[in-house]
Amino acid sequence: LAKTTQPISMDSYEGQEVNITCSHNNIATNDYITWYQQFPSQGPRFIIQGYKTKVTNEVASLFIPADRKSSTLSLPRVSLSDTAVYYCLVGLYNFNKFYFGSGTKLNVKP
Amino acid sequence: DAGVIQSPRHEVTEMGQEVTLRCKPISGHDYLFWYRQTMMRGLELLIYFNNNVPIDDSGMPEDRFSAKMPNASFSTLKIQPSEPRDSAVYFCASSSGVGETQYFGPGTRLLVL
Repeated sequence: LAKTTQPISMDSYEGQEVNITCSHNNIATNDYITWYQQFPSQGPRFIIQGYKTKVTNEVASLFIPADRKSSTLSLPRVSLSDTAVYYCLVGLYNFNKFYFGSGTKLNVKP
Repeated sequence: DAGVIQSPRHEVTEMGQEVTLRCKPISGHDYLFWYRQTMMRGLELLIYFNNNVPIDDSGMPEDRFSAKMPNASFSTLKIQPSEPRDSAVYFCASSSGVGETQYFGPGTRLLVL
């Protein structure tokens, strides 16, 4: 399984754009990149998934360079409610076993 | 849909006791996952099922842990005997297909004294 490396924590202020980068040097050809969000006392929640280039949904954008050895989750104009742990996962689209790791704890300040 | 349902939400027990955690997946989901979360080790996959059959249990820490899925709407994770180091939050998740989004339950916070 491809392992991932993320910053342990990040601080931001309300209204700012936040970019969280994840390294996955051993990503395999068939691996997809998936991001989950976890609020305190809750289970993780799917945010976004992509394979290459850029993916955008109503919550976030995911940027993946051509070599796919890293990816960046972009959260536009964060609010206090975006304070959470963000996990970057890499795994086969046709395989369920993901490695969550420790994630990045995002702290949004007023 | 009610989402993934787990019970109990909190469990406090003494070392040596048997603990049973329960999970009801989202109706129609064919995959069910059990995870454990601790500060030290983060979120770990213990075991997952497909159509009620265990597919991968390589994450189950010891023989003290066992999981069953007798039907499509119910699964249990049992720890016998429990130990203080088993204290953690245990999550159940389900998904509708291979590689699809996993939907997590609220978790069971287990404390073994």
